[in-house]
Amino acid sequence: DSGVTQTPKHLITATGQRVTLRCSPRSGDLSVYWYQQSLDQGLQFLIQYYNGEERAKGNILERFSAQQFPDLHSELNLSSLELGDSALYFCASSVALVAGGELFFGEGSRLTVL
Amino acid sequence: TQLLEQSPQFLSIQEGENLTVYCNSSSVFSSLQWYRQEPGEGPVLLVTVVTGGEVKKLKRLTFQFGDARKDSSLHITAAQPGDTGLYLCAGGNAGNNRKLIWGLGTSLAVNP
Repeated sequence: DSGVTQTPKHLITATGQRVTLRCSPRSGDLSVYWYQQSLDQGLQFLIQYYNGEERAKGNILERFSAQQFPDLHSELNLSSLELGDSALYFCASSVALVAGGELFFGEGSRLTVL
Repeated sequence: TQLLEQSPQFLSIQEGENLTVYCNSSSVFSSLQWYRQEPGEGPVLLVTVVTGGEVKKLKRLTFQFGDARKDSSLHITAAQPGDTGLYLCAGGNAGNNRKLIWGLGTSLAVNP
């Protein structure tokens, strides 16, 4: 158990819809990262928050947005969903802000867009 | 654009065999991490290497960081079915870009 909690574990929805994925980081971790994992693209970094502020952006689409709340949990919002958005979405947390520190991953949220 | 290439992409071996998987880049990284991901779970950190030429051992796993800090290898001795999983390498850089760069992974199956 990494200490990172993600909900929901599985989600099936239709194209055009909007979903929200939730992440609770490990106790004490200030950094939250969101990743998308698909078979053909591997693990793609989407966005990082540190103590409530956006710190780094990766390959995140404009249809996607995220935020980190004062209690440090984070949400990833995916809107106008397309078939290609079907993937595993991981949240990870770390104590440190910089790269090189250990990332603790949740079990992921599997999104299926039909 | 920094890229990490992992090879082989897939590997299926028998229990007891030795294997080496590779993580290569044309770019220099200040640190390199290896993670293992099992089906239905998130990646779990195995090791972080930060010094060129560094060798770290974790039981039957040996990790090496290239002298130029552009590549790394993971060697498993006497593989066991419990070693089955996706092995991912991730390169990190200090400075403004704090995002880890991830390889696509090597999917390892160890058959009993």
